[in-house]
Amino acid sequence: KAGVTQTPRYLIKTRGQQVTLSCSPISGHRSVSWYQQTPGQGLQFLFEYFSETQRNKGNFPGRFSGRQFSNSRSEMNVSTLELGDSALYLCASSSPGLALNTGELFFGEGSRLTVL
Amino acid sequence: EDKVVQSPLSLVVHEGDTVTLNCSYEVTNFRSLLWYKQEKKAPTFLFMLTSSGIEKKSGRLSSILDKKELFSILNITATQTGDSAVYLCAVEDNAGNMLTFGGGTRLMVKP
Repeated sequence: KAGVTQTPRYLIKTRGQQVTLSCSPISGHRSVSWYQQTPGQGLQFLFEYFSETQRNKGNFPGRFSGRQFSNSRSEMNVSTLELGDSALYLCASSSPGLALNTGELFFGEGSRLTVL
Repeated sequence: EDKVVQSPLSLVVHEGDTVTLNCSYEVTNFRSLLWYKQEKKAPTFLFMLTSSGIEKKSGRLSSILDKKELFSILNITATQTGDSAVYLCAVEDNAGNMLTFGGGTRLMVKP
């Protein structure tokens, strides 16, 4: 069973540009979450999607957005990039039970974004 | 706002030592506490704890949760160099759909 796949793995952008990151969850997983990891702030929750609906959003500015497609693949977008957006962006999928809780997350390798 | 604090921030031990990692939390409506191991990129799942006092065990690793005192510990016995990693603790509340992570404990095991 293939794991969570994130693309691209590495990218370099300049301030003011925008970026789109992609995540393919484990087959059969319908929940996809995004986290930002930085040395100073650790892992911080961005948003979570289930069946194409955003169910929860973290405390990030509106420049951070995402979506989920009918095949459960997800994308996140960051517009008007700032230096502080440099981070490892991790996507995770899960197969929530009847209670629709997060449960165990399966993480991808991440997309490392550097903003110059 | 949910909060997770891990200690120590880092530690260095020698192979064969036993280590205990700590995680304390504040969460409005607790659902579960999870431990992950992060070596290079992707955190990998270790344990999910929902009930107090019930030890979860996997090989040399074990973990237990105290919901009264709001903490959990992760024990690693007979450490090996392959245990070197950042260990992350996270909590999920009943609103669900997201995890709040602690800052992690960086463990280095020397030969």
